[in-house]
Amino acid sequence: DAGITQSPRHKVTETGTPVTLRCHQTENHRYMYWYRQDPGHGLRLIHYSYGVKDTDKGEVSDGYSVSRSKTEDFLLTLESATSSQTSVYFCASQQGLNEQFFGPGTRLTVL
Amino acid sequence: DQQVKQNSPSLSVQEGRISILNCDYTNSMFDYFLWYKKYPAEGPTFLISISSIKDKNEDGRFTVFLNKSAKHLSLHIVPSQPGDSAVYFCAAASQGGSEKLVFGKGTKLTVNP
Repeated sequence: DAGITQSPRHKVTETGTPVTLRCHQTENHRYMYWYRQDPGHGLRLIHYSYGVKDTDKGEVSDGYSVSRSKTEDFLLTLESATSSQTSVYFCASQQGLNEQFFGPGTRLTVL
Repeated sequence: DQQVKQNSPSLSVQEGRISILNCDYTNSMFDYFLWYKKYPAEGPTFLISISSIKDKNEDGRFTVFLNKSAKHLSLHIVPSQPGDSAVYFCAAASQGGSEKLVFGKGTKLTVNP
């Protein structure tokens, strides 16, 4: 399996505070993704990156921003967290037309 | 508008029997399909994939069938084992487009001993 780690694994924060989730991969994969998983919705793409400093929006990007300054790191930022952003967040990486490899997830609770 | 649909939220089967998980898609540009398995508190893991140039792909106990005319694929697990109990996600991609996967909502499989 590709080496993908996420930090933190769990976070509880308050409405209105900024939050940054980190994803780190050791496989030198070009593509990286952020998803959220919610009951009844499956996995929904938030943002993705197709290279350093190259990012694009997914289907649920409102309220989120991303940055990728190095191949191995992909950051997801909630500028001002809301309760609707309580979710489990998964990062994934991919090289070419192959399967995506997922990290272990971050459980975020916004009170 | 859901492009990948898994219409059964859950499925329960007996150990040793066949599990059949179904997935339908609407986008005719999809030409690569994958199944992922997800245990609680873990990230999804890749299980098996199929390209649209094939109608079947087999890997041990897992077989994926693709019916392009019906825009339907299915995952067969034979024989089912209790360790197969997990949520299964179907995903689709267009290899001619961006490297993005579109996921279904998942089917929770329970294999009873």
